[in-house]
Amino acid sequence: GEQVEQLPSILRVQEGSSASINCSYEDSASNYFPWYKQEPGENPKLIIDIRSNMERKQIQELIVLLDKKAKRFSLHITDTQPGDSAMYFCAASGGSNAKLTFGKGTKLSVKS
Amino acid sequence: GPKVLQIPSHQIIDMGQMVTLNCDPVSNHLYFYWYKQILGQQMEFLVNFYNGKVMEKSKLFKDQFSVERPDGSYFTLKIQPTALEDSAVYFCASSFDSQNTLYFGAGTRLSVL
Repeated sequence: GEQVEQLPSILRVQEGSSASINCSYEDSASNYFPWYKQEPGENPKLIIDIRSNMERKQIQELIVLLDKKAKRFSLHITDTQPGDSAMYFCAASGGSNAKLTFGKGTKLSVKS
Repeated sequence: GPKVLQIPSHQIIDMGQMVTLNCDPVSNHLYFYWYKQILGQQMEFLVNFYNGKVMEKSKLFKDQFSVERPDGSYFTLKIQPTALEDSAVYFCASSFDSQNTLYFGAGTRLSVL
C-alpha cells in the first residue's frame, strides 16, 4: 500500500518567518494530496489540498507544491503567526476508494 | 463547513467488554471511514464503507471490529471484545464520493482498562 514520509517531525520558527514541511509518497497512482491541521484535542481540519493535475496552489499564506516526477509535495506557510502552531499532517490517496494515507505529522511551534 | 458528529466524545470500558462508537456523517455523503490515532502519532486507516459494504480494510481492522450503517442511521464501529491496545482516539470521516475531500469528526477517545 501507499507509504507517506513527512519531515521534519518538529519545526520551531519565529513569528513572521516561513515554515516548510515536506512529504514524499511511493505510489505513482496517488493523485490527491491534502494537508490537515490538528490542534490538541480537536479533529483534523483540511487547510489546503492539491490534485495531480496541478503543480502549485496557494490559499492566502498557504502554498502547496507538487512534484509528481519526484513523488514529493510540500506545504509552505509564509508569515507564520502563533495561531499557526499545531500538528500538520500530509496525506496521499489515489484510485477509486479515496483511502488517505497520512504522514506521521509535524509539530509546528511559532514563537512570538 | 460540513460537520461530522461523533458520539460519545470519551468512552471508558473494561477490557473484554463490547463498545460501539457512533458517527453521524455529513448528510449527503456516501463514503464513510474510520481512522485510529494513538496519542502523538498519525491517523491510521482502519476501514472504508460504501453502499452498505466494506470496501477496504487495513490490518489494524481486527476480526473483533465490525462496521455498519443500518438504514441511513449512525455509521458505527463495534469492537467486541475490546483489548488494551484498542485504547486510542477513533476518528470517523465521510466524503461525497471517492475523489472528494474527507471531513473528520472530533473523535471518540476510547480508554480500555
